[in-house]
Amino acid sequence: GENVEQHPSTLSVQEGDSAVIKCTYSDSASNYFPWYKQELGKRPQLIIDIRSNVGEKKDQRIAVTLNKTAKHFSLHITETQPEDSAVYFCAARNSNSGGSNYKLTFGKGTLLTVNP
Amino acid sequence: DVKVTQSSRYLVKRTGEKVFLECVQDMDHENMFWYRQDPGLGLRLIYFSYDVKMKEKGDIPEGYSVSREKKERFSLILESASTNQTSMYLCASSLDFYTGELFFGEGSRLTVL
Repeated sequence: GENVEQHPSTLSVQEGDSAVIKCTYSDSASNYFPWYKQELGKRPQLIIDIRSNVGEKKDQRIAVTLNKTAKHFSLHITETQPEDSAVYFCAARNSNSGGSNYKLTFGKGTLLTVNP
Repeated sequence: DVKVTQSSRYLVKRTGEKVFLECVQDMDHENMFWYRQDPGLGLRLIYFSYDVKMKEKGDIPEGYSVSREKKERFSLILESASTNQTSMYLCASSLDFYTGELFFGEGSRLTVL
């Protein structure tokens, strides 16, 4: 099955700096890569996702890049703010029906702390 | 706005007790999921269901069972709770199984003594 590795496990940045979280996946058939944010004591929520037919996607201060050859994808947060402090989870799945990796596999999470 | 409601936020049970965790969603989603969240281990899929009365094992189904008698309700059952099942349990639903956003509940923190 799919294996998703996420690094770093913790990340501390100063407000205004950029933060980058990286994930690698093992199944070359994976083609859907979402990112979830979980604030302390709250439920995980989808913040951005990317499909394998594009290399980059942006939404305001967050962006995700995908390198299919190297089988890795990254979350980039620019101009970080204290409210960006949370645990971030990457995930991967083969979204083609009938594929062997049809379940969403999550990384272990990254605790991001943005210091004021 | 999708709402996924888990019936109990905090439970304390004794070893060997039967435990029911209930989850209800109000958006007519076909797909429902139970995840377990432990520090340093991320989100691990226990079971999922893509239709009423249908269920499939996830990555860590041992010691758990599920029930989906109605579309909106998905229950996780621990037949005989053990201390290693102390964890945070998250229910989720989605409209599209393959690329749909997962909508999570608030979680149920279970402690087994």
